[in-house]
Amino acid sequence: DAMVIQNPRYQVTQFGKPVTLSCSQTLNHNVMYWYQQKSSQAPKLLFHYYDKDFNNEADTPDNFQSRRPNTSFCFLDIRSPGLGDAAMYLCATSGGYQETQYFGPGTRLLVL
Amino acid sequence: DAKTTQPPSMDCAEGRAANLPCNHSTISGNEYVYWYRQIHSQGPQYIIHGLKNNETNEMASLIITEDRKSSTLILPHATLRDTAVYYCIVKEGGSEKLVFGKGTKLTVNP
Repeated sequence: DAMVIQNPRYQVTQFGKPVTLSCSQTLNHNVMYWYQQKSSQAPKLLFHYYDKDFNNEADTPDNFQSRRPNTSFCFLDIRSPGLGDAAMYLCATSGGYQETQYFGPGTRLLVL
Repeated sequence: DAKTTQPPSMDCAEGRAANLPCNHSTISGNEYVYWYRQIHSQGPQYIIHGLKNNETNEMASLIITEDRKSSTLILPHATLRDTAVYYCIVKEGGSEKLVFGKGTKLTVNP
């Protein structure tokens, strides 16, 4: 089945130690999104790629960056994780802005 | 900010229809109503969306009022696996962004 895959499902990192979360998709979608969801809150968009074009949300901290080396893969890099960055990170894809977004299962990040 | 208002929680008996309301009084003509749900510790799951006509798929039905200021998601025969947070989202057709509100926590009881 075509799908959005996130690995790992759980990631533990240390305060200040860079961490990378990965997302892959078999849907061949043009757009890939990263959302952050803190405990008991709704998901919030961090940034997205439309093909190779990167689009950052205005309030996304500089500590968060992303890479999309090809259509199938997208990475979320957190340069110096703080305790406040502990959250579920959700990857989503869509064929275009007018099309439905489909989410992966998420990666839960714990910062010690 | 989210453009929708939903009750924070609802209960439904297993096997009965679950009717989840959503108010979106400021919706504009080119904005769609999307519904997603999120089962605990999983990613949001797309359910259904519509512009002005009622829609039905294998998961649910979406009823949009004629003035488009509110809508109702209907799960016709709720099961225990339908227990989740249900998000109603208003999205402009060409916009990249899904802005999630607080959603409705639906609990289906045996």
